[in-house]
Amino acid sequence: QVQLVESGGGLVKPGGSLRLSCAASGFTFSDYYMSWIRQAPGKGLEWVSCISSSGNTIYYADSVKGRFTISRDNAKNSLFLQMNSLRAEDTAVYYCARGRYGAYWGQGTLVTVSS
Amino acid sequence: EIVLTQSPGTLSLSPGERATLSCRASQSVSSSYLNWHQQKPGQAPRLLIYGASSRATGIPDRFSGSGSGTDFTLTISRLEPEDFAVYYCQQYGSSPYTFGQGTKLEIK
Repeated sequence: QVQLVESGGGLVKPGGSLRLSCAASGFTFSDYYMSWIRQAPGKGLEWVSCISSSGNTIYYADSVKGRFTISRDNAKNSLFLQMNSLRAEDTAVYYCARGRYGAYWGQGTLVTVSS
Repeated sequence: EIVLTQSPGTLSLSPGERATLSCRASQSVSSSYLNWHQQKPGQAPRLLIYGASSRATGIPDRFSGSGSGTDFTLTISRLEPEDFAVYYCQQYGSSPYTFGQGTKLEIK
């Protein structure tokens, strides 16, 4: 069955950096777009970024453009999100999801940006 | 950016009743690339409906989606206790792939 397991979340100071990872299994990872979607505490869902199966096509939300970088390693069935210049408003649970629209979701990893 | 507006914000119904949730887009959603996701407290969301009207794997047939262009609807024909949750619509026709603000379906 499809499994997506996020890791790398934690507490970071404003202006700091964090790298999230997502380990995928149960499907042919290299065949699918992958996405990151986040949810601030008590708030709704916000799409963050997605990357094509080859990695050649990438999209970002305006709120993270220039600060976050999505990437993937198809040989290791892994998705990444490098987050730089973090702000308090980036505090959220970050979900890894299969496809451009989240056919399957991981359980999420919490990122807290606070001094 | 396509803005999705869901209504109502909260819907109070009883088990066995029919639920109708609305999602309106600020501009036409291409090729009906409109999804519905369900989220229960403390859980990750799960996909219910994709392409406006296709049920995802394992989703009961009491869930149905309809609509095109700018107006979309999620209908739950007869509510079961496990259906009380928050529902989000999402468009993936053009980047950024935006979500609606959610409709909370609560037990009356």
